[in-house]
Amino acid sequence: EIVLTQSPATLSLSPGERATLSCRASQSVSIYLAWYQQKPGQAPRLLIYDASNRATGIPARFSGSGSGTDFTLTISSLEPEDFAVYYCKQRAIWPPYTFGQGTKLEIK
Amino acid sequence: EVQLVESGGGLVQPGGSLRLSCVASGFTLSGYSMNWARQAPGKGLEWVSYISTSSSTIYYADSVKGRFTISRDNAKNSLYLQMNSLRDEDTAVYYCARGRSDSLWDYWGQGTQVTVSS
Repeated sequence: EIVLTQSPATLSLSPGERATLSCRASQSVSIYLAWYQQKPGQAPRLLIYDASNRATGIPARFSGSGSGTDFTLTISSLEPEDFAVYYCKQRAIWPPYTFGQGTKLEIK
Repeated sequence: EVQLVESGGGLVQPGGSLRLSCVASGFTLSGYSMNWARQAPGKGLEWVSYISTSSSTIYYADSVKGRFTISRDNAKNSLYLQMNSLRDEDTAVYYCARGRSDSLWDYWGQGTQVTVSS
């Protein structure tokens, strides 16, 4: 089973700042990593798939990079609606599908 | 517009059963694999089960194997999860999610709450 480790657990930033979230896999997942955003009481929303592809309707301030075992989600300039929990998920080797434990992006 | 709407959650005693449903609209269910995932209170996301487009391939997480059964009715655009022998640790919000290109989860439902408690 592939273990995904996200860091940091919590990130405190202000609107307008740049956010960098990390996801590390226990073994190579090639490019098959996705990022999801989840707000309280809501379902997860796909932001980035296959490491660097923005999903439909996702603003350009969201970008993803990486391959193999190390991946990054970058939000170039935080908007108030971006404060949420972010999860990474791999689809390279499954079952089982696995998720990271999440990074909470909170307002400083 | 793609929509997934779950139902069937509720409060059940340990050892009891529930059947969750997920109705799809805005797309043809038969063209996509489907998944169930769950999120325990204050916790992260956990995959529960997968079913291929024709139901020929099914997988379960070890934590639910032998207790949960996934199924689908493409004619009714519906996905199901039969949950038996429920345990306290099954308490969670259960989500259905669409699998594009089989394994890319692109849309999720809003979730249904399952609470297992005596």
